[in-house]
Amino acid sequence: AQSVSQHNHHVILSEAASLELGCNYSYGGTVNLFWYVQYPGQHLQLLLKYFSGDPLVKGIKGFEAEFIKSKFSFNLRKPSVQWSDTAEYFCAVNPTGGFKTIFGAGTRLFVKA
Amino acid sequence: KAGVTQTPRYLIKTRGQQVTLSCSPISGHRSVSWYQQTPGQGLQFLFEYFSETQRNKGNFPGRFSGRQFSNSRSEMNVSTLELGDSALYLCASSTEGRGAETQYFGPGTRLLVL
Repeated sequence: AQSVSQHNHHVILSEAASLELGCNYSYGGTVNLFWYVQYPGQHLQLLLKYFSGDPLVKGIKGFEAEFIKSKFSFNLRKPSVQWSDTAEYFCAVNPTGGFKTIFGAGTRLFVKA
Repeated sequence: KAGVTQTPRYLIKTRGQQVTLSCSPISGHRSVSWYQQTPGQGLQFLFEYFSETQRNKGNFPGRFSGRQFSNSRSEMNVSTLELGDSALYLCASSTEGRGAETQYFGPGTRLLVL
C-alpha cells in the first residue's frame, strides 16, 4: 500500500536557523509530490509541488524541496526560518493519473523568536 | 472566488448517533475529496468524488459514506458513531482531481463524539 513517512513529528528551531523536513514515500510508479502547510487557525494550503522536470522546486515564502527519485524522498528546506513559519507541514503523494492523495502524519514546526 | 466551505464547523454527538457533514467546493471544481485529520495520524483519505461518482475510497469502515450532487456539493455521513470518530473532517476541491492538481481545503468540521 502507498504510504508517506515524515521523519520528525515535532521540530523546534530558533529564528534564522536552517530547516530540513524529511519525507519518504512508498510507491513504485511515477508520482506527483506536494508539501502543504497549515498555519495556526488557517486552512491547509499548498506550499509547493513537483510533477515533472527540474527535481528542485521552489514554493512560496522561500521554501524549496528536492525530489530524489532513487531515494523516494521529497525533503523540504528553507535556509533561514522566521517566527511566522511556525505551522504544521504535511508531505503528500499522488500517483500520476490517480485520484487519491496520501498524506504523511505531519511535522509541527515551532520557531522561537 | 469564494473558497471551499464546510458546514457545520463544530458538532457534538453521542455514540451510536449518525452525522452528516456538508462541503461546497470552489465554483468550477468538480472533484471533492474528504479526509479525517487526527493528531499524530495526519490526514487519512476517506473518499473522492467527481461528477457524482466515487472514484476512490480509503480504508475506512462502511459506516463512512458520501455522495456528490449535480452541483458538485458533497456530503459525507457517518453512522453509528464511535468515540474514535472524533476528529477534524476536511474537504478539499480541485478542478478534475487528477495527479498534479492543487487541492483547496476548507476549514473543516470538528466532530466530537461523547
